[in-house]
Amino acid sequence: GAVVSQHPSWVICKSGTSVKIECRSLDFQATTMFWYRQFPKQSLMLMATSNEGSKATYEQGVEKDKFLINHASLTLSTLTVTSAHPEDSSFYICSARRTFGQPQHFGDGTRLSIL
Amino acid sequence: AQTVTQSQPEMSVQEAETVTLSCTYDTSESDYYLFWYKQPPSRQMILVIRQEAYKQQNATENRFSVNFQKAAKSFSLKISDSQLGDAAMYFCAYRSAASQGGSEKLVFGKGTKLTVNP
Repeated sequence: GAVVSQHPSWVICKSGTSVKIECRSLDFQATTMFWYRQFPKQSLMLMATSNEGSKATYEQGVEKDKFLINHASLTLSTLTVTSAHPEDSSFYICSARRTFGQPQHFGDGTRLSIL
Repeated sequence: AQTVTQSQPEMSVQEAETVTLSCTYDTSESDYYLFWYKQPPSRQMILVIRQEAYKQQNATENRFSVNFQKAAKSFSLKISDSQLGDAAMYFCAYRSAASQGGSEKLVFGKGTKLTVNP
């Protein structure tokens, strides 16, 4: 199969702190990973595309300095929400794929709650 | 830009019956992929079925099948012999094909919540 693990699954933190979310492909090498955000009862919206060894490509309207993405290896990408505020509370989901055009496999998601 | 529309926010079906979820999309591309994803309460996105636009034959996966009408830009999902475990949010999604040189971005519809009644 193609397993993608996301950690943590749920995090609660105070406003102003930074939170790091990890996305790992467990049984395959992912040259590209994707980060999505999902508001309650809404669809998934792509935030950024993360390519191994290069800078992430952000979608229009997504703040690069707010949502830092690092893809240092073929099996790990991280999303850091910097100086998080209550409006950043959401469900964040990553996906990964082997090579261009291959199906994306999703992680279990991370529920982020900022108090 | 491509858009995906799911006009049914909620649907319900009796166990063992058949239900069809609707999806329409808008694109100027000729080659692309369409997907149906299932998101149960656990929140993980699970790929249900995938259709390549250049293939005229409708994709099937066990109890799941699609009705792909390219000219009408319609991509409905039929679930046969519905089971309690089918209850979930179902998202229709679009992606450009590699031949189009476009992004791998998945464009999702707003989803349809499916309830299966025992």
